[in-house]
Amino acid sequence: DTGVSQDPRHKITKRGQNVTFRCDPISEHNRLYWYRQTLGQGPEFLTYFQNEAQLEKSRLLSDRFSAERPKGSFSTLEIQRTEQGDSAMYLCASSLGTGQFSGNTIYFGEGSWLTVV
Amino acid sequence: GQQVMQIPQYQHVQEGEDFTTYCNSSTTLSNIQWYKQRPGGHPVFLIQLVKSGEVKKQKRLTFQFGEAKKNSSLHITATQTTDVGTYFCADTGTASKLTFGTGTRLQVTL
Repeated sequence: DTGVSQDPRHKITKRGQNVTFRCDPISEHNRLYWYRQTLGQGPEFLTYFQNEAQLEKSRLLSDRFSAERPKGSFSTLEIQRTEQGDSAMYLCASSLGTGQFSGNTIYFGEGSWLTVV
Repeated sequence: GQQVMQIPQYQHVQEGEDFTTYCNSSTTLSNIQWYKQRPGGHPVFLIQLVKSGEVKKQKRLTFQFGEAKKNSSLHITATQTTDVGTYFCADTGTASKLTFGTGTRLQVTL
């Protein structure tokens, strides 16, 4: 499979626990994005990387959230001390691009569903 | 901040009827992309519009970009049950950080 893959697909955790999601983008893609989607809403931008550099973080990303892309390939999104409001689908996406260019197709993974109980 | 609204929020049609969703932005759009998300699935890229007034067709789907680049539309001719899902427009912004619209959920029945 050469698409964007995410793991785990589903995670149920107790409030206060930490969770980590992994994303493997399409291999030649230098840009990687994280989005969050709640039921009935469109995806909301969280953060993005160009290669290993995290270039922007949304205000939605509280201090409990951290994302890394250490070697410019796969990325992890960690949520510390989870809260019920963190329950959502976390989507990873990747594309090719440099600078401010916005023209290329963005490919989404199947998402990681998080339920905080 | 930018708001991208879509209408209608939900539409239920019978197979064979046409469907249109409208996307309106509070600010000028950079490029507009359209996505389809099946129930329980992830957004799948359909098309990108770049130029003011641009019209693109994909089989039964017609996409338009407004002259002022503040609105866009997606029209489906003769809907089929396989068209079921939520259709999102998204502004690409800079570096392709997408701002998604509110989405239109399409239900198609026989």
